[in-house]
Amino acid sequence: GAVVSQHPSRVICKSGTSVKIECRSLDFQATTMFWYRQFPKKSLMLMATSNEGSKATYEQGVEKDKFLINHASLTLSTLTVTSAHPEDSSFYICSAREAGGFGNEQFFGPGTRLTVL
Amino acid sequence: AQRVTQPEKLLSVFKGAPVELKCNYSYSGSPELFWYVQYSRQRLQLLLRHISRESIKGFTADLNKGETSFHLKKPFAQEEDSAMYYCALITPHASGTYKYIFGTGTRLKVLA
Repeated sequence: GAVVSQHPSRVICKSGTSVKIECRSLDFQATTMFWYRQFPKKSLMLMATSNEGSKATYEQGVEKDKFLINHASLTLSTLTVTSAHPEDSSFYICSAREAGGFGNEQFFGPGTRLTVL
Repeated sequence: AQRVTQPEKLLSVFKGAPVELKCNYSYSGSPELFWYVQYSRQRLQLLLRHISRESIKGFTADLNKGETSFHLKKPFAQEEDSAMYYCALITPHASGTYKYIFGTGTRLKVLA
């Protein structure tokens, strides 16, 4: 089946630094990748949708300059949390939709736990 | 407004008992609904989708447009069914593709 990986799986950083999270589709091409944020005991909140080669579409309330998304190839999207602060601590999950795939299924990565001190 | 509601945060049942995880949606168009499952320390994975009308791991879900529901059912729960279950609705997105709207999830605990 289609596999999506994320790197790193967890990261701890100091307040004010930037953190980059990678999302890769390992065995398929993903025209669209999605970035979610999951708060403890709460649902997944879509942050942004990125299409390969174009600018990401951000959800209302998500700061574009804070959460930079790049989707440079059909197998890689990156999320950079700039000038991270403790309130950015969360579980970030990416998903990918296979180009020409059946239906609208998304394949999810394992998530990245970000802790900002 | 587009919305997915899962009223139960936690559902505990005994092994062998029937299970029903509730999901209601609000959507003006023709809905496309999914159930995703997340086992402990694993990633979110697709359980079933309504358009396939399939049964996976003994689970079924029927779309009821009159009641705007997509409840997940299993006649006899197993301990390995313990997990977090999310109902999701697909809606068109400004990016030209689709996006999921997830419910808040229901944690199912199957007791021995």
